[in-house]
Amino acid sequence: DAKTTQPPSMDCAEGRAANLPCNHSTISGNEYVYWYRQIHSQGPQYIIHGLKNNETNEMASLIITEDRKSSTLILPHATLRDTAVYYCIVRVARTSYDKVIFGPGTSLSVIP
Amino acid sequence: NAGVMQNPRHLVRRRGQEARLRCSPMKGHSHVYWYRQLPEEGLKFMVYLQKENIIDESGMPKERFSAEFPKEGPSILRIQQVVRGDSAAYFCASSPGGVHEQYFGPGTRLTVT
Repeated sequence: DAKTTQPPSMDCAEGRAANLPCNHSTISGNEYVYWYRQIHSQGPQYIIHGLKNNETNEMASLIITEDRKSSTLILPHATLRDTAVYYCIVRVARTSYDKVIFGPGTSLSVIP
Repeated sequence: NAGVMQNPRHLVRRRGQEARLRCSPMKGHSHVYWYRQLPEEGLKFMVYLQKENIIDESGMPKERFSAEFPKEGPSILRIQQVVRGDSAAYFCASSPGGVHEQYFGPGTRLTVT
């Protein structure tokens, strides 16, 4: 699985959009971009994933560049409850073998 | 549909005792994964099981640790003769297979005294 690079920490004002970047310059054609988050002391939570098209769900939007070497997770209106560590993960999703390899992630602090 | 359940949520063991951690996957999920998070460190994959089979145990320590997912009942992560370095949060995740996301439980926090 390709390696990802994320900033170690970010701040965001409450109510504003939080834009979390991720670099994955060695991504392969069959690798997906996944985002999970871990709120303090809780289990990780799946947020969203994508292959090459932009994706949106009730939690967030995922913007993947055309060359797929980087992506951005967007929380459109950050709240205090979005304070968490956000993990960008690149992996091949095979139906019979799909462990998740977590990096250090980005610690997002939403500030009142 | 209840989420992934783990028990106990907190477990205290003395050095040398055994720790048994249980994970009940979401209904309909036949794939279970165990991860460990040491204090101030990231999540590390330990083992991936399907019903009655260990698929990938590449992240399991070679000694004292074992895992099972029987045909009936929860998945069990067993740690024999615990040491202080085993103190960590242990998370279980499940998926139905063939899908992208894994659903994590709340974790078991093991403290070895």
